[in-house]
Amino acid sequence: DVQLAESGGGLVQPGGSLRLSCSASGFPFSSYAFFWVRQAPGRGLEYVSGISSKGDNTYYADSVKGRFTISRDNSQQTLYLHMSSLKPDDTAVYYCVKIVAATPDPYNWFDPWGQGTLVTVSS
Amino acid sequence: QSVLTQPPSVSGAPGQRVTISCSGSRSNIGTGYDIHWYQQLPGTAPKLLIHGNSNRPSGVPDRFSGSKSGTSASLAITGLQPEDEAHYYCQSYDSSLSGWVFGGGTKLTVL
Repeated sequence: DVQLAESGGGLVQPGGSLRLSCSASGFPFSSYAFFWVRQAPGRGLEYVSGISSKGDNTYYADSVKGRFTISRDNSQQTLYLHMSSLKPDDTAVYYCVKIVAATPDPYNWFDPWGQGTLVTVSS
Repeated sequence: QSVLTQPPSVSGAPGQRVTISCSGSRSNIGTGYDIHWYQQLPGTAPKLLIHGNSNRPSGVPDRFSGSKSGTSASLAITGLQPEDEAHYYCQSYDSSLSGWVFGGGTKLTVL
């Protein structure tokens, strides 16, 4: 059974940093690419970042480029999102999502999704 | 403002058929990129409903169907049931933004 479990969310002040983790199980983690997708309270879904199966290709939305870093540890079956220079607009539930390919491409769909972890940026 | 445009809300009575539209442009749907649909029940994570424009993952009832034409796509739900009440999102890729994009979401209310 494929499972994705995010952790690391919480309250952080503007300008601060936070690292999210996504622990995976039930499938060969190192064979698949992953994404982070976020959802601000009461709002829609927004692509944040993606990473290839080996971690050698990374992708970022313009809204987070230069501030967020995606990475993975295949030996620990864990995906990460390091967030810095956080802004109130970054407040959202962050979802870890898997795709059915080793390298992201324009035809990818997201399945499955983790349960999400809430990040709140506020003073 | 989302790159893919969906109606904010639709509604229907149990047993009826409803459709949710997803309108894009030449830089996303019009380029030939696939449309995927997700269902988000209240308080839960999104779940894949349709991939590759019209393909249902195993476990998704055949009451749900998807189609695409030109720069638009649509999700149809027949035999509406109370448990279908949720938010629905379309998703594709945009070559101008060089990124994966979502519609703003549509709230389906079962009357």
